[in-house]
Amino acid sequence: EPEVTQTPSHQVTQMGQEVILRCVPISNHLYFYWYRQILGQKVEFLVSFYNNEISEKSEIFDDQFSVERPDGSNFTLKIRSTKLEDSAMYFCASTGGRMEGNEQFFGPGTRLTVL
Amino acid sequence: GQNIDQPTEMTATEGAIVQINCTYQTSGFNGLFWYQQHAGEAPTFLSYNVLDGLEEKGRFSSFLSRSKGYSYLLLKELQMKDSASYLCAVRFSGGYNKLIFGAGTRLAVHP
Repeated sequence: EPEVTQTPSHQVTQMGQEVILRCVPISNHLYFYWYRQILGQKVEFLVSFYNNEISEKSEIFDDQFSVERPDGSNFTLKIRSTKLEDSAMYFCASTGGRMEGNEQFFGPGTRLTVL
Repeated sequence: GQNIDQPTEMTATEGAIVQINCTYQTSGFNGLFWYQQHAGEAPTFLSYNVLDGLEEKGRFSSFLSRSKGYSYLLLKELQMKDSASYLCAVRFSGGYNKLIFGAGTRLAVHP
């Protein structure tokens, strides 16, 4: 069964450092998303990406964040200068395959810890 | 705002039935999803409703009333492995399918 994959599973970084979180969405999907979940809190939308550009972003997704689809398979989230409050689980999701309908498939997540 | 409300915690007994409610703002509604999330893991899809009525999938059913801004997830024949958080998520029109999540309902199933 096709699945969304994410690397690394856990990233520890120092405050102020740049991190890149990587995702491989399901092949043939057209819409890609990043969500985050701070420990004990709800899943929050960050950004959606379609047709090689950002289609929508939330207030959380400020200038420190960027996304990229550098090739036909990877989808990355970059945080330029991490802050303590960026510590969270980051989930990549995709949707839009011809057979799957409307559901968003979530990757296993990357746990980001900013020290 | 796009508030989505669901109870914080529920407990139930193995073998029983439990109903988890979700209410949401109706303006711009374009579909409601239920996801299951075990601690430290990703949300996994359970059900999707866009029209009024009941959708049944094995032990899980989900109901939607668009006019009332109300949904519920019904879990039958509860098993210990059903102990998890259940997330109600709404898709609103005008966006590229982004989901707005409720805070989740933490369900504890006891023997």
